[in-house]
Amino acid sequence: QKEVEQDPGPLSVPEGAIVSLNCTYSNSAFQYFMWYRQYSRKGPELLMYTYSSGNKEDGRFTAQVDKSSKYISLFIRDSQPSDSATYLCAIFGFDNAGGTSYGKLTFGQGTILTVHP
Amino acid sequence: NAGVTQTPKFRVLKTGQSMTLLCAQDMNHEYMYWYRQDPGMGLRLIHYSVGEGTTAKGEVPDGYNVSRLKKQNFLLGLESAAPSQTSVYFCASSYSGTAAVTEAFFGQGTRLTVV
Repeated sequence: QKEVEQDPGPLSVPEGAIVSLNCTYSNSAFQYFMWYRQYSRKGPELLMYTYSSGNKEDGRFTAQVDKSSKYISLFIRDSQPSDSATYLCAIFGFDNAGGTSYGKLTFGQGTILTVHP
Repeated sequence: NAGVTQTPKFRVLKTGQSMTLLCAQDMNHEYMYWYRQDPGMGLRLIHYSVGEGTTAKGEVPDGYNVSRLKKQNFLLGLESAAPSQTSVYFCASSYSGTAAVTEAFFGQGTRLTVV
């Protein structure tokens, strides 16, 4: 089982729609939860982050974390064609390999989103 | 303001050849990562480093080696390239994650084809 699971889509919605993107994770020790956006042929860029259960809003974007269910979501309101990209959830936690604790950033598979006019 | 720079941007290798991908960051970050990105598989962690001289295996380390001799550089080596290593490789770096959210900054990617 992958540590972070994300539905790869693809997801196609009309302009103005509400988009819901979701990930599940398996390790309850994970501490920080992030969403990255990746445009075609570019590296991912951080969109939002949170470290506690609940909602965090930033403009048209809302990140939601439910630690009890190990479930994270990203909602996009009033979606625009410029939102068309791959969205990747990412989780930071500590990997206790060989008795030493290392920080590690793990990504979901990414969801390809297309918003058409 | 370079950020994270990957060299080269594109490469075609023959099966069995070796090569080294270079990642350089100018943000004084402690953590550095190498990922590969394949269609439908997302970003998979190959190896990572939490500081100069320290490396650890990620999810898919087989066939790759890494070195972090200097804090600003993280090298990814392919000793004997195989077609299964055809992918887009991303390097990333971040601050230590112990006290703050670790935003990872990514390079522009290296497109590697093994024929």
